[in-house]
Amino acid sequence: GAVVSQHPSWVICKSGTSVKIECRSLDFQATTMFWYRQFPKQSLMLMATSNEGSKATYEQGVEKDKFLINHASLTLSTLTVTSAHPEDSSFYICSAQSSGASYEQYFGPGTRLTVT
Amino acid sequence: GEDVEQSLFLSVREGDSSVINCTYTDSSSTYLYWYKQEPGAGLQLLTYIFSNMDMKQDQRLTVLLNKKDKHLSLRIADTQTGDSAIYFCAESLKAAGNKLTFGGGTRVLVKP
Repeated sequence: GAVVSQHPSWVICKSGTSVKIECRSLDFQATTMFWYRQFPKQSLMLMATSNEGSKATYEQGVEKDKFLINHASLTLSTLTVTSAHPEDSSFYICSAQSSGASYEQYFGPGTRLTVT
Repeated sequence: GEDVEQSLFLSVREGDSSVINCTYTDSSSTYLYWYKQEPGAGLQLLTYIFSNMDMKQDQRLTVLLNKKDKHLSLRIADTQTGDSAIYFCAESLKAAGNKLTFGGGTRVLVKP
């Protein structure tokens, strides 16, 4: 159990376009999902906390108008990178926190975004 | 403030035990975690320990927590080549909505 999926697993897009990444909890309900960004050989940087049915909470320095987060249901959160630039190229990972056990966080396999 | 630190690299021979260390600064941590990341993949939750515990064992994994020194360790017994990966420790703070703060990761290389 406790499987989190992400789609797509990798995407290449052109500068100026927008890309949507989906994060789904497959076998549990997640009232809270988190979005992270990871640069090569570095740790994870929390971008935002997404709560079902409410606005996301962004970490300091993360542009909320550029990284749009929607958490429409207990099993789905989406991250849209708007007007992507090459510096947005990164590995984006989501995690889902179980509603029943808030101390357990399960991670998706990640989405590699390359902006050309 | 929140700060979690780990050594960068560990090399170990197959069959030996590995010990990965982690220090943290926030004494109000609720849970402490160990995650494993293989190349190009997400994070796999290995184990976690509640902050009022000293030790937790789960098959080949032993977690030790020294709350006084704010030191966390992960011991992997009988290390296998499949254990080669990056290991992240992380702490969560209930007061911060259970957000995780990660260490920089320790790259473990298991040599045959």
